[in-house]
Amino acid sequence: SAVISQKPSRDICQRGTSLTIQCQVDSQVTMMFWYRQQPGQSLTLIATANQGSEATYESGFVIDKFPISRPNLTFSTLTVSNMSPEDSSIYLCSVAGTGKRSSYEQYFGPGTRLTVT
Amino acid sequence: AQKVTQAQTEISVVEKEDVTLDCVYETRDTTYYLFWYKQPPSGELVFLIRRNSFDEQNEISGRYSWNFQKSTSSFNFTITASQVVDSAVYFCALSEAVTTDSWGKLQFGAGTQVVVTP
Repeated sequence: SAVISQKPSRDICQRGTSLTIQCQVDSQVTMMFWYRQQPGQSLTLIATANQGSEATYESGFVIDKFPISRPNLTFSTLTVSNMSPEDSSIYLCSVAGTGKRSSYEQYFGPGTRLTVT
Repeated sequence: AQKVTQAQTEISVVEKEDVTLDCVYETRDTTYYLFWYKQPPSGELVFLIRRNSFDEQNEISGRYSWNFQKSTSSFNFTITASQVVDSAVYFCALSEAVTTDSWGKLQFGAGTQVVVTP
């Protein structure tokens, strides 16, 4: 399986500021995704990070609020912009399509625990 | 639209008891993938299993077993002889047919909290 790291692991931010979360994979992967897990809730897909093009956002998520970059096949960033306390969540990066053959297993990074005050 | 239902919010058992987690899904696709993940208190999401819609064989891995029944759209998960380390939230998830736009996107259930006491 791929080894996925995220930075930062946690942060406490003031409302109105922005935070950029990094996701690094130890091998090239086909698909990268960003999920949000609000306190005590399940995971919700924010967007699919597309290499070299604009991310594909799910309903309820917009690029102005959650800009995403994916400059290559091993790295992606998610920015949470103009934060409010409602953005307090765990943000998780996940990958699929690892190795030389397509794989439908999907692995998750350790998550970034964000608290907005 | 796809949907995953985990009706059990929390299950509490005493160590060495068996525990079964229910997962019911809805999808219009004939090809899809089902997953189980474990999220211990530390927060990381641990991949447990993936099952293809065209493979209804049940699977056993150590103390874990999975029962996939397409006729009832269910993919249940049993932990045999539970241990305290099994305490976690368990999520069932569904990924629909592979297309350019949908490959790998997971729809998660609400999760079931398993509490195993000594």
